[in-house]
Amino acid sequence: KNEVEQSPQNLTAQEGEFITINCSYSVGISALHWLQQHPGGGIVSLFMLSSGKKKHGRLIATINIQEKHSSLHITASHPRDSAVYICAVRRAPYGGSQGNLIFGKGTKLSVKP
Amino acid sequence: GAVVSQHPSWVICKSGTSVKIECRSLDFQATTMFWYRQFPKQSLMLMATSNEGSKATYEQGVEKDKFLINHASLTLSTLTVTSAHPEDSSFYICSARDLPELPYGYTFGSGTRLTVV
Repeated sequence: KNEVEQSPQNLTAQEGEFITINCSYSVGISALHWLQQHPGGGIVSLFMLSSGKKKHGRLIATINIQEKHSSLHITASHPRDSAVYICAVRRAPYGGSQGNLIFGKGTKLSVKP
Repeated sequence: GAVVSQHPSWVICKSGTSVKIECRSLDFQATTMFWYRQFPKQSLMLMATSNEGSKATYEQGVEKDKFLINHASLTLSTLTVTSAHPEDSSFYICSARDLPELPYGYTFGSGTRLTVV
C-alpha cells in the first residue's frame, strides 16, 4: 500500500463546477504539500499545510492531522485548471531525511468548457 | 518568489552518450537539491539528494556511477546521465528547499524530458 493515496485518479468536470481532490497518508508528517503539474511537466507548489486550512484565490486546501487526510478544493473551475494535482508529504520528525517528499500518484483533472 | 531554472527542457541523445541537466536557483541559495525521475502516469520518484559541497545521497536502486550529481555551488546543481540507454528515457525534475531551515518550502524546476534513441 502506498504511503500517500489520492482519489480520484482521474476527474472530468464542467466549467464552473466545484471540485474536490482527496489525499490520505499513513505516515507521521511534518507538512503536506499540494502541487500542480501542467501538461508540459513543470510543477508549481500550491500549498504547504501543517494544520487547518489555507485559501488562495479559488483554491482551498484543508488538512485533518488526526484523520491523516487532506482535501484540495477548486471553486468555479475553469479549463485552465486542467492539470495533474499531486499530494506530497514530508515525514516527521523534522530531523530525518533532509526533508524529501513522498508523493501521491496524482489526480488528473480535465475541466471542459 | 523562489525560482529554479532547469535546462534543457527536452533533449534527445544517442544511446551511449552522456547528457547533463542543470538546475539553478535564481534568487536564493539552494543548500539542498532533490533530483526526481518520473515515468509516464507514475508519481515522482526521488533519485538523490545533494547538499552543496558534499557528495550526493542516492536512493536505493539508483546507480551513483550512472547518475552523477554535482552541487558545487549554492546556486547550481547538475545531473549527468552517463552512457545513456533507452530505458533511461524519462522526465527528470529537480527541486530545491527555498530556505535552509524550517519552515522551508520547495521550488521545482520545469523538468527535462530525456529521450534516448
